[in-house]
Amino acid sequence: AQSVTQLDSHVSVSEGTPVLLRCNYSSSYSPSLFWYVQHPNKGLQLLLKYTSAATLVKGINGFEAEFKKSETSFHLTKPSAHMSDAAEYFCVVSENTGKLIFGQGTTLQVKP
Amino acid sequence: NAGVTQTPKFQVLKTGQSMTLQCAQDMNHEYMSWYRQDPGMGLRLIHYSVGAGITDQGEVPNGYNVSRSTTEDFPLRLLSAAPSQTSVYFCASSYIAGGYSNQPQHFGDGTRLSIL
Repeated sequence: AQSVTQLDSHVSVSEGTPVLLRCNYSSSYSPSLFWYVQHPNKGLQLLLKYTSAATLVKGINGFEAEFKKSETSFHLTKPSAHMSDAAEYFCVVSENTGKLIFGQGTTLQVKP
Repeated sequence: NAGVTQTPKFQVLKTGQSMTLQCAQDMNHEYMSWYRQDPGMGLRLIHYSVGAGITDQGEVPNGYNVSRSTTEDFPLRLLSAAPSQTSVYFCASSYIAGGYSNQPQHFGDGTRLSIL
């Protein structure tokens, strides 16, 4: 069975410093992996998607993630945090049926 | 440019009442689904549909019914509301490409439901 583990429930960074949100997955085959962001009282918005093309995936708002099969990881990074990045982030694996398996979420706090 | 529209945005019910959460999408997506979001648990799949007339259960289907009579609409029905169903409910839709549904999903803004 597929699963997703987000290793940090809460991450706090200062504005202008790098962001690292960690995600490990388990899958019996080559997965499709996503990062979604949720701002308060809003739905989820797709940040980026991995589907077995390039292992380094670039997304919106300067975010990127690297698929590492040997480590079963898909960590999300951004070189310089902005106040508007404060939100909840979800790592998600997709089954071929379209079912999404969500991680528990990581709340990103950005301090001025 | 509507995307996925959910109504109502907020609702308070009494235990035992029934109601329908509406979801409509205007992108001609085959795949639609309902999730509930609870603190610390991410989103959990309730029911999903791969096309009109076809529905299936997700991870937490008990207490909920769905139907898919058109491509655009996918309502979620609570038959007899219970306090455990207090949650935020999200509807999502996506294309099915090449027989696989690993396409990005588009989410509505959610329905915040409280059961007293």
